[in-house]
Amino acid sequence: DIQMTQSPSSLSASVGDSVTITCRASQDINNYLAWYQQKPGKVPKLLIYAASTLESGVPSRFSGSGSGTDFTLTVSSLQAEDVATYYCQKYDSAPRTFGPGTKVDIK
Amino acid sequence: EVQMVESGGVVVQPGGSLRLSCAASGFTFDDYTMHWVRQTPGKGLEWVCLIRWDGGSTYYADSVKGRFTISRDNSKNSLYLQMNSLRSEDTAFYYCAKDSSGYDLGGFIDYWGQGTLVTVSS
Repeated sequence: DIQMTQSPSSLSASVGDSVTITCRASQDINNYLAWYQQKPGKVPKLLIYAASTLESGVPSRFSGSGSGTDFTLTVSSLQAEDVATYYCQKYDSAPRTFGPGTKVDIK
Repeated sequence: EVQMVESGGVVVQPGGSLRLSCAASGFTFDDYTMHWVRQTPGKGLEWVCLIRWDGGSTYYADSVKGRFTISRDNSKNSLYLQMNSLRSEDTAFYYCAKDSSGYDLGGFIDYWGQGTLVTVSS
């Protein structure tokens, strides 16, 4: 099975900073990669699919890139409401493995 | 509005069985693949299983294969998860989730239910 890793596992940044999270697949998954945001006590929310397509209604400060095995999620100007854990997930085939998550908070 | 409401989560003893249900509304249920995803409190997300729009194809995580069975009743807009031989490590919130596609490949999860808590403990 394909394994998904994320780095860093956590980060702390200031409001207005640009933040980048990396997701890596152990094998080529083309662009079958989604990103989810889970705020404390809430249900996960879809941010990005097909590695770089922004879900409707998601602020444009979120962006995704990558293909194959290496992917990134970037928040161009971090806001207080972006405090959350971010997960990547592959969906090329089963099992639909999630990454372990990256916890983002405000410095 | 897309909505999924899970039910059936309780405290159950190790080795026991449980059936979770998910009532879906706000979309054409039988057009879409559906998933169960779980999350141990304070931990990460774990994909559990999926079922194609017609129930003709199912996939499971290795951690639950042979113990859990996903099913659906399109006439009732409902998704189910039969959980047998439960273990302490199955303790988690269980989320019902909608796929963007009706097929078993190439679609992503686009909506999540609120979850139901299953606790496996003696």
